[in-house]
Amino acid sequence: GALVYQYPRRTICKSGTSMRMECQAVGFQATSVAWYRQSPQKTFELIALSTVNSAIKYEQNFTQEKFPISHPNLSFSSMTVLNAYLEDRGLYLCGAGTLYEQYFGPGTRLTVL
Amino acid sequence: QQKVQQSPESLIVPEGGMASLNCTSSDRNVDYFWWYRQHSGKSPKMLMSIFSNGEKEEGRFTVHLNKASLHTSLHIRDSQPSDSALYLCAASDYNQGKLIFGQGTKLSIKP
Repeated sequence: GALVYQYPRRTICKSGTSMRMECQAVGFQATSVAWYRQSPQKTFELIALSTVNSAIKYEQNFTQEKFPISHPNLSFSSMTVLNAYLEDRGLYLCGAGTLYEQYFGPGTRLTVL
Repeated sequence: QQKVQQSPESLIVPEGGMASLNCTSSDRNVDYFWWYRQHSGKSPKMLMSIFSNGEKEEGRFTVHLNKASLHTSLHIRDSQPSDSALYLCAASDYNQGKLIFGQGTKLSIKP
């Protein structure tokens, strides 16, 4: 079956530092990977949608300079949170699949001190 | 303004009862609706999807879609305590190929 792994599951970083998270699709070929953030008291915010062979599209309020994403092949994607601050804390979810169906990983929970 | 609106914000249903959740999109480009369930501390799991007018049933779960009004609803019959969770509705934008989530309905099933 289709599985999506995310690493790490939890991470703590100091304010102003950066951290990288990874997403691995297993058992299927993901043509798109979407990164979401679920902040406390908020619903899922789409950060960016990455489609193989197309440019990564960032949503309003999210930039490549802050959240650089790498999607080198159909099964792997990584995103870095640069200069993390308190407002960046939350659960970062990777949704991998096709344009119409996304399977979610367990998420990377980011705590910023 | 939120493009996908869900109601109610929270819902309490007695065990064995029927839970009805609503979702409407204000974006006329959407053509797919998804329902996800997220238990506390977990990532969302897909329940059902629908893209045709009408009704779709899977076990205790039934989804309705009215494409003209871009309104979908999820009904859970014979609700169980394990159904207590945050229910998220998402709409797919055909042109942009991304999921837009609503803010969710927090469902609590009381034994």
